[in-house]
Amino acid sequence: SYELTQPPSVSVSPGQTARITCSGDALPKQYAYWYQQKPGQAPVLVIYKDSERPSGIPERFSGSSSGTTVTLTISGVQAEDEADYYCQSADSSGTYGVFGGGTKLTVL
Amino acid sequence: QVQLQESGPGLVKPSGTLSLTCAVSGGSISSSNWWSWVRQPPGKGLEWIGEIYHSGSTNYNPSLKSRVTISVDKSKNQFSLKLSSVTAADTAVYYCARALREYYGSGSYYRHWGQGTLVTVSS
Repeated sequence: SYELTQPPSVSVSPGQTARITCSGDALPKQYAYWYQQKPGQAPVLVIYKDSERPSGIPERFSGSSSGTTVTLTISGVQAEDEADYYCQSADSSGTYGVFGGGTKLTVL
Repeated sequence: QVQLQESGPGLVKPSGTLSLTCAVSGGSISSSNWWSWVRQPPGKGLEWIGEIYHSGSTNYNPSLKSRVTISVDKSKNQFSLKLSSVTAADTAVYYCARALREYYGSGSYYRHWGQGTLVTVSS
């Protein structure tokens, strides 16, 4: 079955830049999406179509894509950004959804 | 603004069938969207379960396909999940979500989620 691979954890100090990667063979064919999830809450979409930011999401969140890897970048990390982040996409046909394993972002 | 609300038993016995319903408000389930279920075992990541279109077309996670049924009730503006032969591994928070697609052939993504409901499989 198709998988998306993320690092389990990323740690940064406040004000620094956090980069979270997600790798998958179908990413050149399918858009990637990123979600932020805080404890006890439903996921929140922070990036769609690889690099678009929904209204209400701070400008410090950005996304990029290169080949089979997509990257979520959080510039000027704040304490409130500490959360789990999940990438999500689909198989090459667009039929089946898939989530990455999640990355825990720790703000030191 | 569409809102979704999951409901159903919080406890299911092993080998039984898990049944959940997602009520949709603020929009019609017959709109041009897919409607999805996603789950999250305690302390673990998100898992895509499947989705349904208002016409009744479905897509299921291949790893769960033999046990999953998703259906839609347009008269009640809701959709449902049934998962059979459950084990402790099916214990999770179950989310319903409205799926969006950018174009034909692209995958779904989710702007609107329910709050989630915890289902525990235990005797």
